[in-house]
Amino acid sequence: KAGVTQTPRYLIKTRGQQVTLSCSPISGHRSVSWYQQTPGQGLQFLFEYFSETQRNKGNFPGRFSGRQFSNSRSEMNVSTLELGDSALYLCASSRDRAGYGYTFGSGTRLTVV
Amino acid sequence: QQQVKQSPQSLIVQKGGISIINCAYENTAFDYFPWYQQFPGKGPALLIAIRPDVSEKKEGRFTISFNKSAKQFSLHIMDSQPGDSATYFCAASMDTGRRALTFGSGTRLQVQP
Repeated sequence: KAGVTQTPRYLIKTRGQQVTLSCSPISGHRSVSWYQQTPGQGLQFLFEYFSETQRNKGNFPGRFSGRQFSNSRSEMNVSTLELGDSALYLCASSRDRAGYGYTFGSGTRLTVV
Repeated sequence: QQQVKQSPQSLIVQKGGISIINCAYENTAFDYFPWYQQFPGKGPALLIAIRPDVSEKKEGRFTISFNKSAKQFSLHIMDSQPGDSATYFCAASMDTGRRALTFGSGTRLQVQP
């Protein structure tokens, strides 16, 4: 079966711009979570969506937002990009409970210059 | 309270040897403890997971040992192979509250031929 698909794979943006990342979960998975991975901070939880509703949120500023569509596909948006937002953004999906049996996508590598 | 501490940061093992990675947690509400394997350019992939009602779980060459009273768990990789060279993350989650995965800082394993 198809895995978690994230697009685009790579992105270069200028400080101050905004960016939208996309995630298509495994078919039948209703929970979609987003993580930020950096060498310094490791893997940090951004937010989780379930049935188009944000169910959980990590400790990130309001510039980070997301949404989920009726087909479970999810997008995350980062506004007013800062250099420190450069990271690998990972999407993970699971059937129901967040974190349980997660399947991760390959991520979107965002570079802010 | 949410932290998961992982050690060592890096590990070099000879082919055929045993790789051991340790994690400790504080929050007794955690009830699910997975290990993830990540290769460069890829997202983390679920390797093996355990619940606190079990002290050990084995899948092929990979074994999780769990010590509930000490709040520690470890990953053992038997007969380590060069193909096992990757970064390994322990994690924990709970079925209430945030429910997202809290990750350890990662261990970079290098298996020498």
